[in-house]
Amino acid sequence: GIQVEQSPPDLILQEGANSTLRCNFSDSVNNLQWFHQNPWGQLINLFYIPSGTKQNGRLSATTVATERYSLLYISSSQTTDSGVYFCAVPTQGGSEKLVFGKGTKLTVNP
Amino acid sequence: DVKVTQSSRYLVKRTGEKVFLECVQDMDHENMFWYRQDPGLGLRLIYFSYDVKMKEKGDIPEGYSVSREKKERFSLILESASTNQTSMYLCASSPHNEQFFGPGTRLTVL
Repeated sequence: GIQVEQSPPDLILQEGANSTLRCNFSDSVNNLQWFHQNPWGQLINLFYIPSGTKQNGRLSATTVATERYSLLYISSSQTTDSGVYFCAVPTQGGSEKLVFGKGTKLTVNP
Repeated sequence: DVKVTQSSRYLVKRTGEKVFLECVQDMDHENMFWYRQDPGLGLRLIYFSYDVKMKEKGDIPEGYSVSREKKERFSLILESASTNQTSMYLCASSPHNEQFFGPGTRLTVL
């Protein structure tokens, strides 16, 4: 099945710094999602981004489907950005089921 | 806004008890999912439903069953809870491709 790898596994930043999180996938996909898991455990939707670039405030994401990767950019990080960031892609073309990466744990220190 | 709710945030049960976890979505989504999340193992799909009374096994269905009698509600049932089912349980719904998650239920089986 399709493999999803995220890097780095852990990231520690000072408040105000910028960061880039990467998601590689082993096969072509028709959609990709980025999530943020908050300290209470809820997965919050950040982006649904099959291809191209989207921006939402200090966060933006780019998916290059032909090269099988996606990037999540966080600018001017805040302590509330701390948590685990996951990317997820369909298990196979047309499937509703997702396979998740293992996540990037981000810690933003004041 | 999409809203997915779960019946409990925290739940403590005893070994052998029958446990019901409820998930409700208010957006008329066709698809609903149950996952469990464990440290080091990531998110794993337990069951998936693509319509009322329709279900499909995920990666780890053993020890679980599900019920979907109404479109908005998807129940996960632990017929006889065991300690290895202590976990974080996450429900999601999806109209097509993009999944939206509830707040999660932390279940402890003693």
